[in-house]
Formats: sequence, structure tokens, C-alpha cells
Amino acid sequence: KAGVTQTPRYLIKTRGQQVTLSCSPISGHRSVSWYQQTPGQGLQFLFEYFSETQRNKGNFPGRFSGRQFSNSRSEMNVSTLELGDSALYLCASSLEPGSYGYTFGSGTRLTVV
Amino acid sequence: GESVGLHLPTLSVQEGDNSIINCAYSNSASDYFIWYKQESGKGPQFIIDIRSNMDKRQGQRVTVLLNKTVKHLSLQIAATQPGDSAVYFCAERAGGSQGNLIFGKGTKLSVKP
Repeated sequence: KAGVTQTPRYLIKTRGQQVTLSCSPISGHRSVSWYQQTPGQGLQFLFEYFSETQRNKGNFPGRFSGRQFSNSRSEMNVSTLELGDSALYLCASSLEPGSYGYTFGSGTRLTVV
Repeated sequence: GESVGLHLPTLSVQEGDNSIINCAYSNSASDYFIWYKQESGKGPQFIIDIRSNMDKRQGQRVTVLLNKTVKHLSLQIAATQPGDSAVYFCAERAGGSQGNLIFGKGTKLSVKP
């Protein structure tokens, strides 16, 4: 069965632009979480979605937002990009909140120049 | 200013030896723990997990030990192989309704042939 699919794999954007990243969870998984990974801060939680609702949010500014669709696919958006937003953005899916087993995608590498 | 990368602990072992990677977790209410392996340019790959009502779990060549008294988690890899070279992360799930994972800083494992 297909794993977690993230698109695109690589992105280069200019400061001030906005970007949308996509995540398709494993078939049957309805919970999607997003994480940011940087050399300076490691892996940090952004937000979690289930049934098209944001259940939980990490400590990131409002420029970071997300949504989930009825088919459980999720997107995250970063507006007014800053150099410090350069990171690997990872998506993880699980059956539902509280279930066991989180599977990560390969991530989207965002570079802001 | 320039961001400073996390100083990752490094473990260097000889091929065939056993490896032990340690992790201190933060939240005594965490109910679930996972070890992930991350190779360069890839997303975290699930290795093994353990629930808080257990203190040991074994997989193929891997064992996870959980000591809730001192909030400590360890990953033991038997007969370490060059393909095991990667960064290893422990993650805890903040219990209750919080479904997000909190990641440790990671340990870089290098296996010498």
C-alpha cells in the first residue's frame, strides 16, 4: 500500500512569497500532522488535523496555516516567507488521534532566498 | 544571524557490535514512544514503538527499553551493520488529547566496516 506522499519534493521561493505544500496520507489514515525540521531547532510540531479540523497547534506564527480535505489530504501554507522558514517540512499520518503508529513522508525541502 | 546547528551526540561503533542509543524524555504523562531512523535527505522511518504500560519491546535486531521512573528510553541494535548508519530520534506522544509527537535532538550513529 502506498505510503505518505508529499509534494513537491523541493521548492525554492523568494522572501515575501507564499507557498503551499501538499500531503496525501496512507489510505485509511484520517489524522495528519505537520512538522518542521531545521538544523537549529530539530523536529518541531506545527499542527494536527483530523476530520477537516485542526485539533492541535504548535508554537508557530500565524503565517503558518493548514487545512484538511474530506479525503484526508492536507495542505499547509506559509505566507510572507522569511529566510528562516527554509526547512524540511514533514507530514505524518495515523489512523486517528490517539491511535498507534505514525508514518512520515519524505518531506518537502523548502529553500527561501 | 547564522543559525547554529544542533550538536548531535555521535555514536561510532564497529560493524557487528551492538549499539545502544539513549534518550531522555520530558513529559511524565506521555503515553507512547517511538524510535525513528532518518537517513540523509529522507523522512523519519519507523523502527519500533512502545506504549507506556510496557517496559521492553523487541523487534528484528532492535529492542526498546522504557524506564518511566527516570524518564529514559533506549534503543538497542544488535549486530550493527553499515546500513544502520543514520540519525536516530526518539519521540514521545504528549498524552491525553494531545496527539503530537515531541522529538529528541537525535543521535548520529556511524558504523565502521
